[in-house]
Amino acid sequence: GQQVMQIPQYQHVQEGEDFTTYCNSSTTLSNIQWYKQRPGGHPVFLIQLVKSGEVKKQKRLTFQFGEAKKNSSLHITATQTTDVGTYFCAGPDFGNEKLTFGTGTRLTIIP
Amino acid sequence: DADVTQTPRNRITKTGKRIMLECSQTKGHDRMYWYRQDPGLGLRLIYYSFDVKDINKGEISDGYSVSRQAQAKFSLSLESAIPNQTALYFCATSDGTATYEQYFGPGTRLTVT
Repeated sequence: GQQVMQIPQYQHVQEGEDFTTYCNSSTTLSNIQWYKQRPGGHPVFLIQLVKSGEVKKQKRLTFQFGEAKKNSSLHITATQTTDVGTYFCAGPDFGNEKLTFGTGTRLTIIP
Repeated sequence: DADVTQTPRNRITKTGKRIMLECSQTKGHDRMYWYRQDPGLGLRLIYYSFDVKDINKGEISDGYSVSRQAQAKFSLSLESAIPNQTALYFCATSDGTATYEQYFGPGTRLTVT
């Protein structure tokens, strides 16, 4: 079955430093979604990318979808304490709305 | 009020007991999902339903069963709980439109002793 891996599993950064998490799928994806889960909370949808090579920005967050639609990245510029949490990517197989979630990257911020 | 609710929020049960986790939604979505979260393993799909008459197994359905009582209600049962089913369980919904965005409930923390 489809597998979605994320690296790194954990990332500790000083406040103000940048952060990047990478997502790789074993199969081609029709789209990639990103979710954020705050400590003690539930996953919350951030964004969806659909097109090959697509780049989207949300303030300090930049999301990219690879040309082959098998990988994606999330980059946060100048991290803040509010960025703490676990970031998950998720993708469906082509023609299937069932999502496979990545293993997640847990971000902690050192003030 | 929250759009997706789960009950109970926390539950401690003993090995061999039957337990039901309930999920209700007011979003009017057809699609509902049950996930399990374990540290380092992300979210794994247990069961999903695209409408009231449609139930599908996910990647880790063994030891679990579900019931879609209505469009708004999707229950997960553990017929005979075992300690390795200790986890955080999430219900989610989606409307199946182009965004495929999923909306998650607050989760149920289940401990099997």
